[in-house]
Amino acid sequence: QQKVQQSPESLIVPEGGMASLNCTFSDRNSQYFWWYRQHSGEGPKALMSIFSNGDKKEGRFTAHLNKASLHVSLHIKDSQPSDSALYFCAVDMGYKLTFGTGTSLLVDP
Amino acid sequence: GALVYQYPRRTICKSGTSMRMECQAVGFQATSVAWYRQSPQKTFELIALSTVNSAIKYEQNFTQEKFPISHPNLSFSSMTVLNAYLEDRGLYLCGARETGGAETLYFGSGTRLTVL
Repeated sequence: QQKVQQSPESLIVPEGGMASLNCTFSDRNSQYFWWYRQHSGEGPKALMSIFSNGDKKEGRFTAHLNKASLHVSLHIKDSQPSDSALYFCAVDMGYKLTFGTGTSLLVDP
Repeated sequence: GALVYQYPRRTICKSGTSMRMECQAVGFQATSVAWYRQSPQKTFELIALSTVNSAIKYEQNFTQEKFPISHPNLSFSSMTVLNAYLEDRGLYLCGARETGGAETLYFGSGTRLTVL
């Protein structure tokens, strides 16, 4: 059964700083990976997806995937207070998403 | 754009009673609908996955007898929590997408269930 672990559990970064979130998964057949963000009182919203090894950049957000090491990460450049939220990685097996344990990010103004 | 509406946003029910929650997709065809429960510790449990014109697949620890789901068309799904007890508390989230893998799963804001 797929296990998806995230680290750190919580993270505080200063406004303008870089936030780095990590995620490891257990199933080597995993193909698609997502990062979701959830603000308080809302459902999770997809930030970005990554399918190929390497980096994918969308604005201030960069995802990195290394399937061999079963690792995916998200880096947020120039963090803003509005980035404060829960972040989840999710492994997409094509029919269902398995979510990670989550990282709580606080951007300190 | 693609949106998912869930209602009610919050509900309180007495122990042993049942409650129904609904999920409406707007702006896309919800071929596949996944119902999750998010615990107070914020972890997600997949309850079941429903694809239009296919059988609903329940995950381990969740049953149709306890969480019956309806997915009659490409824009609507509902789930009932039967005989709710304290351990059923949490935020129930409906996620929908057009096809299978690699498509964005759009979530509603959830239905928060409190059981007294």
